[in-house]
Amino acid sequence: DSGVTQTPKHLITATGQRVTLRCSPRSGDLSVYWYQQSLDQGLQFLIQYYNGEERAKGNILERFSAQQFPDLHSELNLSSLELGDSALYFCASSVGQGPNPYIYFGEGSWLTVV
Amino acid sequence: EDQVTQSPEALRLQEGESSSLNCSYTVSGLRGLFWYRQDPGKGPEFLFTLYSAGEEKEKERLKATLTKKESFLHITAPKPEDSATYLCAVLGGTDSNYQLIWGAGTKLIIKP
Repeated sequence: DSGVTQTPKHLITATGQRVTLRCSPRSGDLSVYWYQQSLDQGLQFLIQYYNGEERAKGNILERFSAQQFPDLHSELNLSSLELGDSALYFCASSVGQGPNPYIYFGEGSWLTVV
Repeated sequence: EDQVTQSPEALRLQEGESSSLNCSYTVSGLRGLFWYRQDPGKGPEFLFTLYSAGEEKEKERLKATLTKKESFLHITAPKPEDSATYLCAVLGGTDSNYQLIWGAGTKLIIKP
């Protein structure tokens, strides 16, 4: 158990809909990272927050947004969903604000868009 | 463009049959190379960090090595429980914008 909690574990929704994925980082970690993993694209970095502020941005679509709340949990919002958005979405956390290999991943949220 | 390429995509071995996984990279400013293990339906789990060419790290049946252009993950006498996807990532970029860049992974299957 990494200590990073993600909900929901599985989600099936229709194209055009909007979903919210939730992440609670490990106790004491201030950084939260969001990743997308699909079969054909591997692990893609989406966005990082540190102590409530956006720290780094990767290949995140404009239809996607995220935020980190004062209690440090984070939410990833995916809107106008397309079939190609079906993937496993990981949240990870670390102590510091820099990109860090010592990051701890949650078990992911499986999103299926039908 | 910074890039990480892993090969092969998949590798099937018999229990006890040693082999190596490859991670080649092109990055503007390498600040480290990292290996992770990912089990099905789980997030990646950190294994090794390598910072300079010639460096080696070992853990049980795994040994990671680094050259200026690639890294190898050697697995010696593997067991079925070593079956997983092994991911390589590099920390690269400029001082103001550096990030982990991930390879697509090698799926390792060890048959008893």
